Amino acid sequence: EVQLVESGGGLVKPGGSLRLSCEVSGFAFKSYTMNWVRQSPVRGLEWVASISSSSSDVNYADSLKGRFTVSRDNAKDSLYLQINRLRVEDTAVYYCTRGIGWLQPYDYWGQGTQVTVSS
Amino acid sequence: EIVMTQSPASLSVSPGESATLSCRAGESVYKFLAWYHQRPGQAPRLLIYDASTRAPGIPARFSGSGSGTDFTLTITSLQSEDLGVYFCQQYLNWPRTFGQGTKVEFK
Repeated sequence: EVQLVESGGGLVKPGGSLRLSCEVSGFAFKSYTMNWVRQSPVRGLEWVASISSSSSDVNYADSLKGRFTVSRDNAKDSLYLQINRLRVEDTAVYYCTRGIGWLQPYDYWGQGTQVTVSS
Repeated sequence: EIVMTQSPASLSVSPGESATLSCRAGESVYKFLAWYHQRPGQAPRLLIYDASTRAPGIPARFSGSGSGTDFTLTITSLQSEDLGVYFCQQYLNWPRTFGQGTKVEFK
């Protein structure tokens, strides 16, 4: 069974940092493109970043470049999202998703981890 | 950025009836359009990809059509588990973009 389990969310003050993790099982992680998508009541579903299977290609939403860093460890079947200089508007549920390749939709989603940025 | 616009914002349907949801892209995305369904408190689930291909395990009552800029998701014989919000997404261009969603509820 394919599983994606996010962790690392929580309540953080503006300007703080968080590292989100996504541990996967049930498929050959090293063969798949992985993505982060966030969802908030204000902004809806918003694609955050994508990373290719070998980490050779990475794409970010323009508005998030410089503060967000996506990475993966294929030996640990894990995906990461480092978020620095957190802002109130980063408050959202962050989902880890799987894509078969670059021009593919997201066929599996984790349950999400809540990030709340508030003073 | 390709803006995805869904209509209507909400839809009230009687059990067993059909629902037709629309998604319009700001520019052509050819066939690179997916539909997702989200129930309250759950993550989105892929229903349709490449505009008209059902994802594995998705019932035949869900069908997608369209290409270019105009797409439609049709749900026939609506059941209680079909309630929730439906989103479209284009995966041709960066940034990948989603529509704002159509909420489907029972009358």
